Amino acid sequence: NAGVTQTPKFQVLKTGQSMTLQCAQDMNHNSMYWYRQDPGMGLRLIYYSASEGTTDKGEVPNGYNVSRLNKREFSLRLESAAPSQTSVYFCASSVWGLDEKLFFGSGTQLSVL
Amino acid sequence: DQQVKQNSPSLSVQEGRISILNCDYTNSMFDYFLWYKKYPAEGPTFLISISSIKDKNEDGRFTVFLNKSAKHLSLHIVPSQPGDSAVYFCAASGDNAGNMLTFGGGTRLMVKP
Repeated sequence: NAGVTQTPKFQVLKTGQSMTLQCAQDMNHNSMYWYRQDPGMGLRLIYYSASEGTTDKGEVPNGYNVSRLNKREFSLRLESAAPSQTSVYFCASSVWGLDEKLFFGSGTQLSVL
Repeated sequence: DQQVKQNSPSLSVQEGRISILNCDYTNSMFDYFLWYKKYPAEGPTFLISISSIKDKNEDGRFTVFLNKSAKHLSLHIVPSQPGDSAVYFCAASGDNAGNMLTFGGGTRLMVKP
């Protein structure tokens, strides 16, 4: 009964390095999302995938790319990390639609030095 | 400009008393509101929601009140328990935003035994 699984849990990068955050859900949900959480800012939507085969920009997409690999998996890539991307990243899924109850993973703490 | 604001970064309450967490929004097109609860090192979990056609929704110890004219919602927890200590996020969505959830900055609730 894993729900939403994110890897890695922690990561430290140097400026300019690249990395991919992985996310998988086992609830047969159609929609998946990537959020970032910064102090006092709440959670801000980076990208989402309403259904397999589609992806769309959220509120803060600059510097990120995503891939909806299949119905279960949704990855987030930082091509050239910047200190402004230091944050906690959460993957989430929902049955269908952006305003439904979201199920979140446990997060990835990313530091860019 | 944050469309959803939680003006109290933290709140401390004695066990057994009522906790009241507040949330204000500016976008009059928001029509669906949710509260999420987050423990350290975990992802947020859905707590309770309310549609704009209602002014109150109750689930056990948790009640959400919506005042549309004031663009204000509140979460009441009665009685508060130490296990309720967490960060609470309010979120809102509406058709004009493509149904994307907009989150507030969060309020840290501490319930003292």
